[in-house]
Amino acid sequence: GAGVSQSPSNKVTEKGKDVELRCDPISGHTALYWYRQRLGQGLEFLIYFQGNSAPDKSGLPSDRFSAERTGESVSTLTIQRTQQEDSAVYLCASRFSGTENQPQHFGDGTRLSIL
Amino acid sequence: AQSVAQPEDQVNVAEGNPLTVKCTYSVSGNPYLFWYVQYPNRGLQFLLKYITGDNLVKGSYGFEAEFNKSQTSFHLKKPSALVSDSALYFCAVRVYGNNRLAFGKGNQVVVIP
Repeated sequence: GAGVSQSPSNKVTEKGKDVELRCDPISGHTALYWYRQRLGQGLEFLIYFQGNSAPDKSGLPSDRFSAERTGESVSTLTIQRTQQEDSAVYLCASRFSGTENQPQHFGDGTRLSIL
Repeated sequence: AQSVAQPEDQVNVAEGNPLTVKCTYSVSGNPYLFWYVQYPNRGLQFLLKYITGDNLVKGSYGFEAEFNKSQTSFHLKKPSALVSDSALYFCAVRVYGNNRLAFGKGNQVVVIP
């Protein structure tokens, strides 16, 4: 079956513009995560969705960042008034949460460059 | 709180030699431990996990890892490294009931032909 799909794969935009990143999780995966990976660094947790529960937004770095998910399907991460420090790879992962031991499955990310 | 330490920035190994990537963790409770690999311009790929049971777990591409509770470690190993194993490796941990993974900073592995 298809894996986690992210679009666009690359995005270059000017400082101050808004961007929207999309994630299509694996079908049947109720849990969905967004991470940020700056060049040469590890993964920074941003937000977590689990089914219809309220999302865990504790990792969002500022109020310019927001994310939505419709049911158990597509999620979008929006960054408003982009800044140069927002340049990074944004990774999405999904997980089947029916059992505790399932790993997260990652998309290939969106490489965001702010000029 | 849950956290992972990957103490080395880069691991260099000659092709055909054993490869070890170190990971130690800190959690309150029993850990679920994971290793992921990331190739350039790709997302993270799952390699293996420890949930319970045998301390030695085997995963994809000939990798294995040993869970050591007393040393709070989960080192990744491969008996004979290949050039194609050159990549970035991440260790991650979580505990039961916590759906968030804590990732280490990653280790760059360079396999020298």
